[in-house]
Amino acid sequence: DTAVSQTPKYLVTQMGNDKSIKCEQNLGHDTMYWYKQDSKKFLKIMFSYNNKELIINETVPNRFSPKSPDKAHLNLHINSLELGDSAVYFCASRPDGDNEQFFGPGTRLTVL
Amino acid sequence: GEDVEQSLFLSVREGDSSVINCTYTDSSSTYLYWYKQEPGAGLQLLTYIFSNMDMKQDQRLTVLLNKKDKHLSLRIADTQTGDSAIYFCAEISSASKIIFGSGTRLSIRP
Repeated sequence: DTAVSQTPKYLVTQMGNDKSIKCEQNLGHDTMYWYKQDSKKFLKIMFSYNNKELIINETVPNRFSPKSPDKAHLNLHINSLELGDSAVYFCASRPDGDNEQFFGPGTRLTVL
Repeated sequence: GEDVEQSLFLSVREGDSSVINCTYTDSSSTYLYWYKQEPGAGLQLLTYIFSNMDMKQDQRLTVLLNKKDKHLSLRIADTQTGDSAIYFCAEISSASKIIFGSGTRLSIRP
């Protein structure tokens, strides 16, 4: 019954590594997002995909790249991880014609 | 630029009402939202209000919108321990962009 799922839930890794976080939604939604929640709990949008087309690309480092193999998936790939990348990353999805977003449970990334 | 502001902390006694306040800057916002984040969980949409409404009530939740002052509030009546969470105010500034506040951590005193 999970609507928006993310894996892994926790990710601990060393600086300089490359990692991916996966997101899947079974709601048939058209748009998916990635948000970063920093230590102050502020949510900042990173990327948005609609039917495999990038809509919003906030000023995030190009070490971050979204990958959408199909409409139900939007994965986040991060190269050369840095300490400042440590945060909770939320995936979300939204149907066309509606502003309500459905969020995943979040992935806590810790870079050592 | 677009911004949504909230106070970071609120502590209330169990059984009292909680009022969480939020201010936003984008006057073109058509929807305003309140989300709840419980420890270890994802964001849960609590309620939302259209910009042409002043008030919306849903069981223990009351949302008040002052569009002139760009002020949004969430009132939780009879606050319970299960209401402990972080509450995020959010606005839609365009069809595909949502702006969140920093969140207000609500703690309940016995």
